[in-house]
Amino acid sequence: DQQVKQNSPSLSVQEGRISILNCDYTNSMFDYFLWYKKYPAEGPTFLISISSIKDKNEDGRFTVFLNKSAKHLSLHIVPSQPGDSAVYFCAASASNTGKLIFGQGTTLQVKP
Amino acid sequence: GAVVSQHPSWVICKSGTSVKIECRSLDFQATTMFWYRQFPKQSLMLMATSNEGSKATYEQGVEKDKFLINHASLTLSTLTVTSAHPEDSSFYICSASPGTMEETQYFGPGTRLLVL
Repeated sequence: DQQVKQNSPSLSVQEGRISILNCDYTNSMFDYFLWYKKYPAEGPTFLISISSIKDKNEDGRFTVFLNKSAKHLSLHIVPSQPGDSAVYFCAASASNTGKLIFGQGTTLQVKP
Repeated sequence: GAVVSQHPSWVICKSGTSVKIECRSLDFQATTMFWYRQFPKQSLMLMATSNEGSKATYEQGVEKDKFLINHASLTLSTLTVTSAHPEDSSFYICSASPGTMEETQYFGPGTRLLVL
């Protein structure tokens, strides 16, 4: 049972344009959401997070949007840069368990 | 920023041998450490949660006698894959949390295990 889903395995974007990565979840108990960036053969690096009491969190070029009614969150990267090319994982946790549940990841390629 | 190291970064072993992977928090004390496993093109799957000085909590479907976890100190956790088989070949990643808020996790670089 995949509680966190990233339905797009890959995304290709032109440099300078916006990258939008999507994530859906099924567990209504999730109250904290995170995005991680991962390069091959490396551990994930934390990018940005959002609490369920908010619907938007912005940090530089990265913005995460949360739509609780739709159980959907998205990561916007603008402008996209070639160095952003990596695998992006969304993760969710419920405060009563604290565990992180990861999506399958989306491979982003930003073309120069 | 918080740094977590793993050793070794990759290991090749024969079927039936045991392999130990170390996870260290270098500049903070980790109350909780987590072990994940990632198959190619799949998500990170939590294997177990360990708290210093207590037994690890394993996720459903993870054999505790096969994947031995020891969290001996606030900066070191080890995962031992006992009697490894080719199906254990995977990318193992640890993470460490400095407090009780598990969402604040810092990940190690991962260990790639290949069992021949």
